[in-house]
Amino acid sequence: TQLLEQSPQFLSIQEGENLTVYCNSSSVFSSLQWYRQEPGEGPVLLVTVVTGGEVKKLKRLTFQFGDARKDSSLHITAAQPGDTGLYLCAGEDTGFQKLVFGTGTRLLVSP
Amino acid sequence: DAGVIQSPRHEVTEMGQEVTLRCKPISGHDYLFWYRQTMMRGLELLIYFNNNVPIDDSGMPEDRFSAKMPNASFSTLKIQPSEPRDSAVYFCASSREGAGTEAFFGQGTRLTVV
Repeated sequence: TQLLEQSPQFLSIQEGENLTVYCNSSSVFSSLQWYRQEPGEGPVLLVTVVTGGEVKKLKRLTFQFGDARKDSSLHITAAQPGDTGLYLCAGEDTGFQKLVFGTGTRLLVSP
Repeated sequence: DAGVIQSPRHEVTEMGQEVTLRCKPISGHDYLFWYRQTMMRGLELLIYFNNNVPIDDSGMPEDRFSAKMPNASFSTLKIQPSEPRDSAVYFCASSREGAGTEAFFGQGTRLTVV
């Protein structure tokens, strides 16, 4: 069974602070996706990383895929209240196009 | 496109009753996924289909759960009989063929079994 562990599970910070969320597994994935989910809604894709070592930036969000394609990180610079939500990493099972989701990180950014 | 459409949004039922959740995927998508989300277990993949054919149902918790996809535009997840531990939010998602493609989620069905 493939498991994706995220840390931390909960994070409560002030507006303007920086943070990093980690997503770790012992399995290799063909791609790694990050989603954000808001209350009452389904997860929405933020980014997909495919190549080991790949770094992608989306405004204040920076995503990195580990060299061995087993882990990933999400860094947010100068967090804002609008960043509040549940962040989920998801690994794509090689050759099967099914996503295994991580345990999730619940982020609260206070003004 | 209207996105992935799930119904009902909320369902409250008594233990032992049959529950049917419905999903209409995005037109043209080849894959359909059913997930269950709880605080304790997170987002779990129950079953997924490719071109209406079930590919992997290893996540279906028990024989009480069944899923069908009679055509490309409709899928159901049925629980019979339902139990209180089935209470969760059930999501349907669809995606196109191809590695790394985005999964589009519906708004979910919040199921409460009392």
